[in-house]
Amino acid sequence: QLVLTQSPSASASLGASVKLTCTLSSGHSSYAIAWHQQQPDKGPRFLVKINRDGSHIKGDGIPDRFSGSNSGAERYLTISSLQAEDEADYYCQTWDTTIRVFGGGTKLTVL
Amino acid sequence: EVQLLEFGGGLVQPGGSLRLSCAASGFTFSNYAMSWARRAPGKGLEWVSGISATGGTTYYADSVKGRFTISRDGSKNTLYLQMNSLRADDMAVYYCAKEVGVGGNTGGHFDHWGQGTLVTVSS
Repeated sequence: QLVLTQSPSASASLGASVKLTCTLSSGHSSYAIAWHQQQPDKGPRFLVKINRDGSHIKGDGIPDRFSGSNSGAERYLTISSLQAEDEADYYCQTWDTTIRVFGGGTKLTVL
Repeated sequence: EVQLLEFGGGLVQPGGSLRLSCAASGFTFSNYAMSWARRAPGKGLEWVSGISATGGTTYYADSVKGRFTISRDGSKNTLYLQMNSLRADDMAVYYCAKEVGVGGNTGGHFDHWGQGTLVTVSS
């Protein structure tokens, strides 16, 4: 079964960097994933798609502070120079022929 | 500029029906698969249903299979979600999302989202 696992919460200080992790289920380590941000009371926003080889494509207007990477079955979202507006929920998402799947989400707190 | 605008949400009694619409603009609607996702209070995002670019293939999460029907009208650039037999656990903000591919396994991530429409299921 295709499953994405995320830590429920993360925190980091203003101006610092944070690395969020999304883990693909066993047998699915080659899958690409996408990261989405959802700020309070807003619709989600596509941030970056990460392929199995680590190459990535960003969404429209996404700042360079957001970057994606991978290692094995793990896909990462790194946010540098944290700003107050980065406090949000972050979801990874993947897909197969007939389904799309979200991770449980990580709530990022900017201290 | 890609825009997705959902409407049709509201208050419905358990067992009732509702049809959501998503008006799309700023891209060639018939070239892309589309999906619906939702976020229930206190929970994370959940994918609900998807439809291929041609409309010929539809897919559903197990939680809504047999109760919800996704469709699209290329002449109106509009995506629909017919929701029947609504339950309390269907209460959520529903979002439509544009996929980057035509459907299936080709580019299944979402690159644009709407702002959402709230569905409340309560007696």
